[in-house]
Amino acid sequence: GAGVSQSPRYKVAKRGQDVALRCDPISGHVSLFWYQQALGQGPEFLTYFQNEAQLDKSGLPSDRFFAERPEGSVSTLKIQRTQQEDSAVYLCASSRTPAGDTEAFFGQGTRLTVV
Amino acid sequence: LAKTTQPISMDSYEGQEVNITCSHNNIATNDYITWYQQFPSQGPRFIIQGYKTKVTNEVASLFIPADRKSSTLSLPRVSLSDTAVYYCLVGDSYTGGFKTIFGAGTRLFVKA
Repeated sequence: GAGVSQSPRYKVAKRGQDVALRCDPISGHVSLFWYQQALGQGPEFLTYFQNEAQLDKSGLPSDRFFAERPEGSVSTLKIQRTQQEDSAVYLCASSRTPAGDTEAFFGQGTRLTVV
Repeated sequence: LAKTTQPISMDSYEGQEVNITCSHNNIATNDYITWYQQFPSQGPRFIIQGYKTKVTNEVASLFIPADRKSSTLSLPRVSLSDTAVYYCLVGDSYTGGFKTIFGAGTRLFVKA
């Protein structure tokens, strides 16, 4: 596709449920980022992939959060045993080169609500 | 970690030039400065990126002084559709990671 695609757009999960959020980056983009954005706040970095390698996962808030990009394209962010504080918009972004010096393209995000 | 500070909000009128300044005192030598725009229920959208001096594209200009401890995004002749949140972003390379740090953002409200 022409842009970064995320699915689902909206997800309601019961507390304790596992969820999986999908990101389809722009084809050929090397870098892929996941961010968490709470209401009224700026995006907070979660993790970074360069192709299939997860080079930075320092922003993942707990071991309940797990991300993968097994073939260097599609990525999945999984949250186990969701808690109310996980409610946020999860944004995915991709860029053509390794981080820092090129434009990142963002998806529209997945809004997760944990009830 | 490179941290950014921006004004929380700004008001302007249609047709005016808007300048939003971002402070990033701990910027690293290899870091770029990037500005993004975000509308409600959408992901951020790239506006402009620079390393030093001045960069201009079709929508904005970015001014970066020699010490690179701040930067100013300039939006010429804003319209109502420029009402959005603007983020100043500095690529973090201190720890060898690829974390990019968004500031809290500046909410720009353009009035008719």
